[in-house]
Amino acid sequence: DTGVSQDPRHKITKRGQNVTFRCDPISEHNRLYWYRQTLGQGPEFLTYFQNEAQLEKSRLLSDRFSAERPKGSFSTLEIQRTEQGDSAMYLCASSLVQTASNEKLFFGSGTQLSVL
Amino acid sequence: AQKITQTQPGMFVQEKEAVTLDCTYDTSDPSYGLFWYKQPSSGEMIFLIYQGSYDQQNATEGRYSLNFQKARKSANLVISASQLGDSAMYFCAMRELDSNYQLIWGAGTKLIIKP
Repeated sequence: DTGVSQDPRHKITKRGQNVTFRCDPISEHNRLYWYRQTLGQGPEFLTYFQNEAQLEKSRLLSDRFSAERPKGSFSTLEIQRTEQGDSAMYLCASSLVQTASNEKLFFGSGTQLSVL
Repeated sequence: AQKITQTQPGMFVQEKEAVTLDCTYDTSDPSYGLFWYKQPSSGEMIFLIYQGSYDQQNATEGRYSLNFQKARKSANLVISASQLGDSAMYFCAMRELDSNYQLIWGAGTKLIIKP
């Protein structure tokens, strides 16, 4: 059983460039989440998918951020025109939903983005 | 108001001792779930333990147990017989209906186990 994998592990980019991250969830999981985490903080919810449908996006999420999960399997998160404030760890998680309150998320190791 | 409060930014504990990591929460929803995750320096969040608001008994998973005091709205994590590999960030999180069941996270506690 492979876990959640994210690619790349690290990304360094210049301000204004576009970046794309990929997440491969655990194969039978129907939900996929994207979070952002800065140093010394807990993860901040960005968006999530149930199968291929994007069900919720954070109100704090800039229009420069877009996520897709075209076939209900892997997902991509794109950030356009990156800013220095986008520097963070981007975490992906997946789950197999049973009941809403005890849903257990399995996380990948994250993509560390540095915007210069 | 903070939904999840972890009051200990950092803790040092001697190896083999037990350690308690504090977590208090705020919700008016009668149905909610509480989670603890561990984040080593590698970055991956690792699920440790879950407690449902209606669970009659405190959750346990191996060396981890959750001291659930519902009236006080606290859900402290207890790690027995600490090991060097327990050194990591520990996050408390809650899922509730009012937040559309999205996980709400605390700021974390950095635990360092001393040999």
